[in-house]
Amino acid sequence: EVQLVESGGGLVQPGRSLRLSCAASGFTFDDYAMHWVRQAPGKGLEWVSDISWNSDTTGYADSVKGRFTISRDNAKNSLYLQMNSLRTEDTAFYYCAKDNGRAAAAGTAHFDYWGQGTLVTVSS
Amino acid sequence: QSVLTQPPSASGTPGQRVTISCSGSNSNIGSNYVYWYQQLPGTAPKLLIYSIYQRPSGVPDRFSGSKSGTSASLAIRGLRSDDEAVYYCAAWDDSLSGRVFGGGTKLTVL
Repeated sequence: EVQLVESGGGLVQPGRSLRLSCAASGFTFDDYAMHWVRQAPGKGLEWVSDISWNSDTTGYADSVKGRFTISRDNAKNSLYLQMNSLRTEDTAFYYCAKDNGRAAAAGTAHFDYWGQGTLVTVSS
Repeated sequence: QSVLTQPPSASGTPGQRVTISCSGSNSNIGSNYVYWYQQLPGTAPKLLIYSIYQRPSGVPDRFSGSKSGTSASLAIRGLRSDDEAVYYCAAWDDSLSGRVFGGGTKLTVL
């Protein structure tokens, strides 16, 4: 059974940093691209970032480009999101999501499994 | 303001057929696959439809997807009370070079 478990969320002040983790199990982690998707409380979904199976390719939403960095450790079956210079508008549930393929391909990639999310609250 | 436009709400009675629309442009729906996700209350989203009309294993054939030009639709037939959820459409956007979602449609089963 595919399982994705996020951790690392919490309350942080604007301008500070936070690192999210996602522990994956139940599938061959290094065969698939991975994503982060966020959802502000009571709002819709927003794709944040993706990374290919071998970390060669990454992508970011304009809203986080230059501030967030996605990475993965295939030996540890883990995905990460380093979030710097956090803003109040980054407050959201952050979901780790598995891609259906290796490359996070532009038109065909989709999120076939999701974690339960971790809440990040940016507030002074 | 979402790139893909969905009605904020939809409703139907048990057994009815309901359709949820998703409107985009040539840079997203018009030239790429469409995906649909279901988010039940208090849970993470779940993939419902991929590549316009394909269903993952375990998703009943009551759910179907279609696309015409720059719009897509999700149809649910034989509506059930446990279909109450928020439904999101998604696609790749060539102009933005990013993945975009609709704002979500909250489906109520009366």
